[in-house]
Parts: sequence; structure tokens; C-alpha cells
Amino acid sequence: QKEVEQNSGPLSVPEGAIASLNCTYSDRGSQSFFWYRQYSGKSPELIMFIYSNGDKEDGRFTAQLNKASQYVSLLIRDSQPSDSATYLCASLLSGGYNKLIFGAGTRLAVHP
Amino acid sequence: DTAVSQTPKYLVTQMGNDKSIKCEQNLGHDTMYWYKQDSKKFLKIMFSYNNKELIINETVPNRFSPKSPDKAHLNLHINSLELGDSAVYFCASSQVLAGSQFFGPGTRLTVL
Repeated sequence: QKEVEQNSGPLSVPEGAIASLNCTYSDRGSQSFFWYRQYSGKSPELIMFIYSNGDKEDGRFTAQLNKASQYVSLLIRDSQPSDSATYLCASLLSGGYNKLIFGAGTRLAVHP
Repeated sequence: DTAVSQTPKYLVTQMGNDKSIKCEQNLGHDTMYWYKQDSKKFLKIMFSYNNKELIINETVPNRFSPKSPDKAHLNLHINSLELGDSAVYFCASSQVLAGSQFFGPGTRLTVL
């Protein structure tokens, strides 16, 4: 059973700090990874995807991928209270299954 | 100009009833999905359709039957509802199979 693991949190950071969210995956063949943000009672919204080892930046968000360690992370710079949400990590299952495996999510709380 | 829409938003029903959830996307995407998010917030794929063809059919009870009348619509019919079916059901779409997915607002199903 291929899995994606995330610490459920809550991860509490002060406003303006860097929030670091981490994820590990068990499918060594997985090539594509996605970060979604889900506010309470709302649907997941795509923040970023990453396919290559290294860093990918988009505004205040940076996704990091290390395939050797099977590790994906999301950094949020200058965290705002509006960033408080659950962040879901997902990996695309390898082997042509064409399906995303989601982690249970990490709850982030940014306090003023 | 909603991208992925679902109806109804809330569904409260008795055990044993049959109900349907409808999904429509106006993004011109080829692939549509149904996900179930349970009380522990795990988001798990149920079905996916690509160009109206069933691609993923996870091990869900055969009381659940998806139907895709065209590329823009994917409906979910559930027969003989059980208490354990209570969850939030999300529809999603992506431009291509295994691409970045965009979620609808969800349907919160409560079976009494």
C-alpha cells in the first residue's frame, strides 16, 4: 500500500515567520508531487506542483523535492494568519495508475 | 464563472435511500474524478473518467456508480445508502490524465 505521510500538527508559527511543512512518500517510482491548501469546510485548492529534484518557487511558496530521500516540503515565507489551513501533500502513483495519493494533511496555525 | 461545480452542497438522507450527486466543469478538461473525504480528513480517490471513459475504479462498493454523459459532467449515484457513506464527496477535474487537479466545493452527505 503506497502512502504519503504528514505530521498532522498543528504547526503553530508567528506571523511573518517561515512555515515549513513536510511530507514523505513510500512510492519510490513517483515522479510528480502536489501541495494543496484546504480551509476548514472548503475544498482543496492547488498551491504548487513539483516534478524535479530541488526547489521551485512561486511567490511566498517554495516547494522542495528530494527523490533520493523520498521527501517533499513546502515553505511559506512571511506567514500570514490567512495561511492558517490544512496543507495536503499528494504524490502521483507510479506504474501508470494515474491517481493521486494524498496525505492526511498538516494543520498550520499562524498567530498574530 | 465557477470552474468545477457540484450539486447539492448538502445532502441529508435516511439509510437505504438512493441519491445522486452531480458535477460539472467548465474548464474544458478531459479528466474528471470523484473523491471521498472522511471524518479523519483523508482524501481518497473513488473514480476517474478520461474523455468519458472509466479509468480508475477503486475498491468502492458497487452501490456507487459513476456516470459521465459528456466530458464536462460526472455524476455519482449511490444506492442503498449506509451510515458509513457519510462523508464529503469532492468532484475534481484536470486538463490531462494525472495532471494538476481542481476541486469542486464538495457535497456533504449525512446518512441518518
